[in-house]
Amino acid sequence: GAVVSQHPSRVICKSGTSVKIECRSLDFQATTMFWYRQFPKQSLMLMATSNEGSKATYEQGVEKDKFLINHASLTLSTLTVTSAHPEDSSFYICSAVPDPSTDTQYFGPGTRLTVL
Amino acid sequence: KQEVTQIPAALSVPEGENLVLNCSFTDSAIYNLQWFRQDPGKGLTSLLLIQSSQREQTSGRLNASLDKSSGRSTLYIAASQPGDSATYLCAVGGGTASKLTFGTGTRLQVTL
Repeated sequence: GAVVSQHPSRVICKSGTSVKIECRSLDFQATTMFWYRQFPKQSLMLMATSNEGSKATYEQGVEKDKFLINHASLTLSTLTVTSAHPEDSSFYICSAVPDPSTDTQYFGPGTRLTVL
Repeated sequence: KQEVTQIPAALSVPEGENLVLNCSFTDSAIYNLQWFRQDPGKGLTSLLLIQSSQREQTSGRLNASLDKSSGRSTLYIAASQPGDSATYLCAVGGGTASKLTFGTGTRLQVTL
């Protein structure tokens, strides 16, 4: 089956630093990947849609300069949280779409970010 | 703006019971609806996908129904097992491979 990985699985950083999270589709290519954020005991909220070779599309209220997304290849999208603050602490999950004509998204295992 | 709500927020049942999880959405113009399972601190596992033209889907002990006109879906779990303990999320899609709007989740615990 289609597998999506995320790295790292957990990261703790100091306030003001930047953190990069990788999302990889291991056995398929994905022109579209999605980035979600999940606060404790809340549901997933879409942050942005990442398209290979073009700029990401951000949801309303998500700062594009703070959450930098790069989808440089068909198997890798990265999310960089710049100048992280404690309120950015969250669970970040990506998903990848193997075939845009279908409805299937495969989700990564998530990355737990803690900003001290 | 689509809003998705799940009731109840949490549920505890003894092993062997049949149970129903509810999902409602405000905009009936959906493309599909999916049910996912999420274990603590983990990603999502897709359980069932119902297209807007379908009424239900079944997989093993799971059955999901969709009533698009009333904006509701249910997930029926038969003969629950402790291994079913997880958070169940429903999500509606607005188009092919489009972004999903997730519900608030139901945290299920099946006790021995």
